[in-house]
Amino acid sequence: SSELTQDPAVSVALGQTVRITCQGDILTTAHASWYQQKPGQAPLLVIYGENRRPSGIPDRLSGSSSGNKASLTITGARAEDEAEYYCNSRDSSDGHYVFGAGTKVTVL
Amino acid sequence: EVQLLESGGDLVQPGGSLRLSCAASGFTFSSFAMNWVRQAPGKGPEWVSTISASGGSTYYAASVRGRFTVSRDNSNNTVFLHMNSLRVEDAAVYYCAKPRDYYENSAYYPHFDSWGQGSLVAVSS
Repeated sequence: SSELTQDPAVSVALGQTVRITCQGDILTTAHASWYQQKPGQAPLLVIYGENRRPSGIPDRLSGSSSGNKASLTITGARAEDEAEYYCNSRDSSDGHYVFGAGTKVTVL
Repeated sequence: EVQLLESGGDLVQPGGSLRLSCAASGFTFSSFAMNWVRQAPGKGPEWVSTISASGGSTYYAASVRGRFTVSRDNSNNTVFLHMNSLRVEDAAVYYCAKPRDYYENSAYYPHFDSWGQGSLVAVSS
């Protein structure tokens, strides 16, 4: 199936570490990328490739993957990390891109 | 700096039509495929369509195939989404997104490195 599964919500205390996961069969042939979205804004690419960050994305955000699972880790969470996070990849069978349903990260 | 600017969103009745535009700048537009991604209120993004760099190949999500048509004008750095037979469930913010897929050590890394600000499409009677 071409679905990507994410936990709906997680919370993390200020300064602590949280890991968000994304699981799906399509991740065995195409890696995941991660997007941060705050209310009223477009999604923003935060992680791609083998743990690469676009310019301006802090290094407290990191990515990893293994098999059919990808993870986004926020180390030392800050208030500005509170957002919805989406994973995304591509189904190699038909070339269609697929998004996860998103994980709402709340920083306490 | 890459800029993507969508326009054309509006309130339309079910069964109606609309054309969205996305004006691109800051990169060699004719060298990149382009995508449309939509996001319904309170939902995650949903990929809608891809058009190849030349415009010769197009791809659609099953939910819009046969009703939506993507096209591009490389001389004016613009991509379009023609939407027909609109349904209530098509209501969303529509984003154009620039892909930057690549291969490295036999691994494939698809992703969208730039997004527009979005154009709101409302479908209601």
